[in-house]
Amino acid sequence: DTGVSQDPRHKITKRGQNVTFRCDPISEHNRLYWYRQTLGQGPEFLTYFQNEAQLEKSRLLSDRFSAERPKGSFSTLEIQRTEQGDSAMYLCAGSTGASSYEQYFGPGTRLTVT
Amino acid sequence: SQKIEQNSEALNIQEGKTATLTCNYTNYSPAYLQWYRQDPGRGPVFLLLIRENEKEKRKERLKVTFDTTLKQSLFHITASQPADSATYLCALGMDSSYKLIFGSGTRLLVRP
Repeated sequence: DTGVSQDPRHKITKRGQNVTFRCDPISEHNRLYWYRQTLGQGPEFLTYFQNEAQLEKSRLLSDRFSAERPKGSFSTLEIQRTEQGDSAMYLCAGSTGASSYEQYFGPGTRLTVT
Repeated sequence: SQKIEQNSEALNIQEGKTATLTCNYTNYSPAYLQWYRQDPGRGPVFLLLIRENEKEKRKERLKVTFDTTLKQSLFHITASQPADSATYLCALGMDSSYKLIFGSGTRLLVRP
């Protein structure tokens, strides 16, 4: 158990609706990452935070996606006007320290857009 | 173009044998490389990290090598067990960012 939790675990929504996912890392995770994974593929980077600052965002990320980490603890990922192509597993990961590169993943949120 | 390639076909081996998984990359200069295990419906689990100036790393039954000239990493599981059956992902990390760039993974099946 990595200590990283995600909520909800599953979400089914209709095309055009907005969805929000939450990630709770452990307190030592000063960096927090969001990835997206589709079947048969590896996780694809979306964005990451150092404490509350969003330091990097994928250039492939549509402006329908937004993420926050308001107090440097939990994080939310919102997708507006969902499309069927957004169906995927959304993974959150945390890591600690300036020289620590391994990442500790949560169980993911599976999104299905109908 | 930049690519990370892992065997897309499943690796099927007998219990007790050594499993060897390959990760090749093109047009990247990673500062380090990581290997993760992923079971169906779950998040990846960190296994090993190897830096660009290291040739080999070991942890229990696991061994990883990193050849920056060949642009390749090999991941070995010795004395494999059915419980080792999972998908194994390699991921590249760069000096300029903490994000990871993952390959698509190789599924390992260990037969009893």
